[in-house]
Amino acid sequence: DIVMTQTPLSSPVTLGQPASISCRSSQSLVHSDGNTYLSWLQQRPGQPPRLLIYKISNRFSGVPDRFSGSGAGTDFTLKISRVEADDVGVYYCTQATQFPRTFGQGTKVEIK
Amino acid sequence: QVQLVQSGSELKKPGASVKVSCKASGYTFTNYAMHWVRQAPGQGLEWMGWINTNTGNPTYAQGFTGRFVFSLDTSVTTAYLQISSLKAEDTALYYCARKGTQDFDYWGQGTLVTVSS
Repeated sequence: DIVMTQTPLSSPVTLGQPASISCRSSQSLVHSDGNTYLSWLQQRPGQPPRLLIYKISNRFSGVPDRFSGSGAGTDFTLKISRVEADDVGVYYCTQATQFPRTFGQGTKVEIK
Repeated sequence: QVQLVQSGSELKKPGASVKVSCKASGYTFTNYAMHWVRQAPGQGLEWMGWINTNTGNPTYAQGFTGRFVFSLDTSVTTAYLQISSLKAEDTALYYCARKGTQDFDYWGQGTLVTVSS
């Protein structure tokens, strides 16, 4: 199974400041079709997860442009350019390159 | 718009069974498979498996074989998760999530299953 490792596990951020979360996979996420199926999910408190970013850097419908994704191979990053109060929650990376699907442990973003 | 609406919370005794439903709307149900994901209290996300909504063929992750069954009723565009011989450690939120144009693109609101004597 592909192991997804996120750092940090907790990220206290000042409102308006940037935040960055890293995700590393235990093996390359490049699929045989040439795509890299790395996604980011956001789970606000008391809410189900929602898809933010897919295939490394593509924002899903309705996701603000302050969220961006980057990376390649086994190393990926989610960045929030200016954190807003609405961004508080837990962020998960997940891979869809192989079965079984696997998730990172989650990174809690909170306001300082 | 795509919606996945799950059944309400359940309180069950150890050894009982539970069936969670996930009603889909806003798209052609049989075009996209459905994942099931578990989230234990205060914990992260755990993939349980998925079901092909066109063929009805389920795939179970390791650790979710035997007591866990995915099924469908395409006439009412609903996916089901049944868990038998419930144990205390099955207490969790269970989510359905569409395997759409992107994986995990839409999620149900979650169903809390509590197992307690």
